[in-house]
Order: sequence, then C-alpha cells, then structure tokens
Amino acid sequence: DAKTTQPTSMDCAEGRAANLPCNHSTISGNEYVYWYRQIHSQGPQYIIHGLKNNETNEMASLIITEDRKSSTLILPHATLRDTAVYYCIVRATSGTYKYIFGTGTRLKVLA
Amino acid sequence: DVKVTQSSRYLVKRTGEKVFLECVQDMDHENMFWYRQDPGLGLRLIYFSYDVKMKEKGDIPEGYSVSREKKERFSLILESASTNQTSMYLCASKVTVNQPQHFGDGTRLSIL
Repeated sequence: DAKTTQPTSMDCAEGRAANLPCNHSTISGNEYVYWYRQIHSQGPQYIIHGLKNNETNEMASLIITEDRKSSTLILPHATLRDTAVYYCIVRATSGTYKYIFGTGTRLKVLA
Repeated sequence: DVKVTQSSRYLVKRTGEKVFLECVQDMDHENMFWYRQDPGLGLRLIYFSYDVKMKEKGDIPEGYSVSREKKERFSLILESASTNQTSMYLCASKVTVNQPQHFGDGTRLSIL
C-alpha cells in the first residue's frame, strides 16, 4: 500500500506562511494527493488536491515535486483559526477506494 | 457546497444494544464511506458503498454492518455494541474516483 509521512507537529507565527510537507514516495503515477484539516471534534475538512501540477484555491496552495514523491501545502497567511491537524492523503493502491490517512501534522498558529 | 449530515453529534448506548448511525448526503454522490477515528490510530475504513445496495468491507468491518437502500443515505449498524466500539465515527461521500471525499461532522459514540 502507498504510505504518507508528515512531521508530527509544527508552529507558525500568525500572518506568516505555513508550509506543511508530506512525503508520498510510493504514490502511483496516476494517483492524486489530497489535503484535509481537522479541527478538534469536527470532521476532516477538504482543502485541496492535485496530481502533477501546482494547485491553488481560496484556502491554500499545493506544490507537488516533479517526481511526485513529496508535496507541500502552503497556507499563505496563517491565522489562529488555521490551528488544526493537517492530513496528506493518497489512495492505498490504484483502483481501490481505500485511502491512507496518517497521523497528520498538528499545526499551531501562534499569536 | 457539499453537505454530509450525520444524525447525531454525541450518542451514549449500552453494551449489547443495536446501534444505528445515519448519514445523508445531498449531492447525489455514488460513493459513501464509514470510518472510525481513534487517538493514535488515525482514520480507519469500516465499510464503503459504491452504489445503492452495494457495499464492500474496509479494514475493520468486524462487529459492524451497513445499509444503503437509497443513494443519499448510508447507515452504519453496530449489531451488538461493545465497549471497544467507543469511538468517533465519520461518514464521507464522493462523486467519482479522483474527486475528494467530503466528511460529516462525526458522531462521538460512547458504549457503556
């Protein structure tokens, strides 16, 4: 099965960019990378996903390396409300409906 | 916006009871999922459904069953609740293979 590796925790100053890395070196060539965040006691919230090219939406940017073995989620101007656990997710194997949720990165935005 | 609604945020049941957790989505999604989330273990897939009346086991189906009689509704059933089923239960839905899942707010279930 594919696997993702993320740092356990990170801090970021309010107003600064938060860069959250994820290693997914075993990802298949046609599989997407998905990012979610989870605030305590709520369900995971979808942020962004991508295949090869960099992606941007109103919440974040996603940078995927050319070899697709890693990606970085960028929150351009972190606020206190961005404090959450961030998950980088890929499908377990191509063609299945199983997704690998690791333990995520606990991001703390500091005032 | 996609809306996935779980019937209860908090639920307390007794050992041996039959427990029903309901999930409804309003976006005509084909695929629906049930996960449980426990500290240190992340999200683990219990069951998923790719169409009405169709289901497949996930990683931890033991002690659970599911029902999907209508496209918008996916029910998780604990046949005889046990204390080790105390957990946060999350429902999700998605439209096609490469589109993201959208989650409900979860049901925190306590079995006493």
